[in-house]
Amino acid sequence: QKEVEQNSGPLSVPEGAIASLNCTYSDRGSQSFFWYRQYSGKSPELIMFIYSNGDKEDGRFTAQLNKASQYVSLLIRDSQPSDSATYLCASAGGTSYGKLTFGQGTILTVHP
Amino acid sequence: ETGVTQSPTHLIKTRGQQVTLRCSSQSGHNTVSWYQQALGQGPQFIFQYYREEENGRGNFPPRFSGLQFPNYSSELNVNALELDDSALYLCASSFGDRGQTQYFGPGTRLLVL
Repeated sequence: QKEVEQNSGPLSVPEGAIASLNCTYSDRGSQSFFWYRQYSGKSPELIMFIYSNGDKEDGRFTAQLNKASQYVSLLIRDSQPSDSATYLCASAGGTSYGKLTFGQGTILTVHP
Repeated sequence: ETGVTQSPTHLIKTRGQQVTLRCSSQSGHNTVSWYQQALGQGPQFIFQYYREEENGRGNFPPRFSGLQFPNYSSELNVNALELDDSALYLCASSFGDRGQTQYFGPGTRLLVL
């Protein structure tokens, strides 16, 4: 079992829709969770992090964490073509200490 | 822009050669982590340096080694390059020995022929 798994893509949504990206993790000691966006040929860019159960909102982005279910998600409201990228979920803490453990990424395409 | 810089941006080497990649951390950060990202995969943790000491290592062989300098910049050295070492090498900057909120530099793309 992979330590961090993301829903298989690619995910395609129309412009203006809500894109939902999901992630599960296996290390119950994980404390922090991160969402990175990576455009083709570029490096990952941090867009959200969440430590506590519940929702965290930042503009069009909402991160959701459920530690009991070991589940993290990212919602992108009013999706734009510029949101088209690979989204990486990462966990840290627990046995991972300071390192980030990444999922394989989900490719999101927002079509006009 | 994260303020994390890496050099060089691209590099071509042949199998068996050695390579050194460099990273300058963001101002105020004292921790540097290195990751390897193969095409179509998520980044894999190589190691982390905090205050010039190795602070954790992933599942990479000893031919992957590193350094952190007093100004918190860092080097990644890879000896005896193999074809499978072809990847994007990412440096991430953070603060503290449990620095988990990490900001990535632009990366170095290494091709081993």
